[in-house]
Amino acid sequence: SQELEQSPQSLIVQEGKNLTINCTSSKTLYGLYWYKQKYGEGLIFLMMLQKGGEEKSHEKITAKLDEKKQQSSLHITASQPSHAGIYLCGADYSGGYQKVTFGTGTKLQVIP
Amino acid sequence: DAGVTQSPTHLIKTRGQQVTLRCSPKSGHDTVSWYQQALGQGPQFIFQYYEEEERQRGNFPDRFSGHQFPNYSSELNVNALLLGDSALYLCASTRGYTEAFFGQGTRLTVV
Repeated sequence: SQELEQSPQSLIVQEGKNLTINCTSSKTLYGLYWYKQKYGEGLIFLMMLQKGGEEKSHEKITAKLDEKKQQSSLHITASQPSHAGIYLCGADYSGGYQKVTFGTGTKLQVIP
Repeated sequence: DAGVTQSPTHLIKTRGQQVTLRCSPKSGHDTVSWYQQALGQGPQFIFQYYEEEERQRGNFPDRFSGHQFPNYSSELNVNALLLGDSALYLCASTRGYTEAFFGQGTRLTVV
């Protein structure tokens, strides 16, 4: 979607390295979701951010939503092969009804 | 507790045919959304069902229709299939303003 841009499109990192994926919206977000997808499979929920400046962590993954609620970043610390997959950010622009507008995804490969 | 289940997992259809995909939401969820994901793209919102009514719709033609049953399960129907309808179809369920849980998807191939 043109409304939501992810970068980079793909990323290859060595195991143990840190990495960051960015998600930028052309308009103010009501909420921002991060999902992970294995090739051809369903989406696994990672985190939901709603408040400007909010930051959430789960295991080695941290996501932040900027104060203006138009940009989010996903940071993985000490990457592992299990982190490999496609990371998708999804935007809720209206609130309450769960229609999610997704970015095109970032394909992450972790080399042992 | 079963999550979101979709059937079938894979399907091959011929152009012009009709197809029905099925989705059972996560226990306790009452809202079902359908998404289409073309290869290399993010999922695109098709429509959402709540209380057996279509509540929201994305930018998809009328060939795409759906239904929600009293037990909250849902069907996605696509008529007059085109080659461009080949994609992974994902179902997501929610209740209120909570994160959406996704099924594993149905891979539709139109030949």
